[in-house]
Amino acid sequence: GQSLEQPSEVTAVEGAIVQINCTYQTSGFYGLSWYQQHDGGAPTFLSYNALDGLEETGRFSSFLSRSDSYGYLLLQELQMKDSASYFCAVRDRNSNYQLIWGAGTKLIIKP
Amino acid sequence: GAGVSQSPSNKVTEKGKDVELRCDPISGHTALYWYRQRLGQGLEFLIYFQGNSAPDKSGLPSDRFSAERTGESVSTLTIQRTQQEDSAVYLCASSLRQGLATSYNEQFFGPGTRLTVL
Repeated sequence: GQSLEQPSEVTAVEGAIVQINCTYQTSGFYGLSWYQQHDGGAPTFLSYNALDGLEETGRFSSFLSRSDSYGYLLLQELQMKDSASYFCAVRDRNSNYQLIWGAGTKLIIKP
Repeated sequence: GAGVSQSPSNKVTEKGKDVELRCDPISGHTALYWYRQRLGQGLEFLIYFQGNSAPDKSGLPSDRFSAERTGESVSTLTIQRTQQEDSAVYLCASSLRQGLATSYNEQFFGPGTRLTVL
């Protein structure tokens, strides 16, 4: 079967750095994606990793280790507007390369 | 250009009634997805359309759920004989062609339809 695990909630302070982890189990892993969703809003794409290593886009970075079935999203210089839920999603070749979604991590930022 | 639009934004219905939800994808996007999101939960895949190929209906939870898509444009999700457990936000997303191992195309989501079944 397929499963993804990520923490349900993470709290951090404005200006700090936070890491949101995602572990997965699937025989058809083909890539890891991250999406952000503000309360009441629609998910928006942040990043996609197909290969091991770190991808950086501004204040956000995403990391993948396929040997460890593990990835993380790193948010730097946290701003209050970063308060949202963050979803990891695995692209699965056994599901026609569709995304299998985690349950999401709610990021709470305190001033 | 315009993003993905969905209508209605909110729908309140009585148990046992049928509802129809609409999605207008981004022009040129051949892939279209329907998801269900219960409060505080992740996204639950329902159905996927890719161009003129047969849709992937593997995520539909029961035969009360069905969806259609006209060519590469509008899609409707129909829920018959609604139940209280159908209450959720129904999200539609579109993307450029999926299903290719060599490329990943991000999904663009609509604002969703919040369905409440009384």
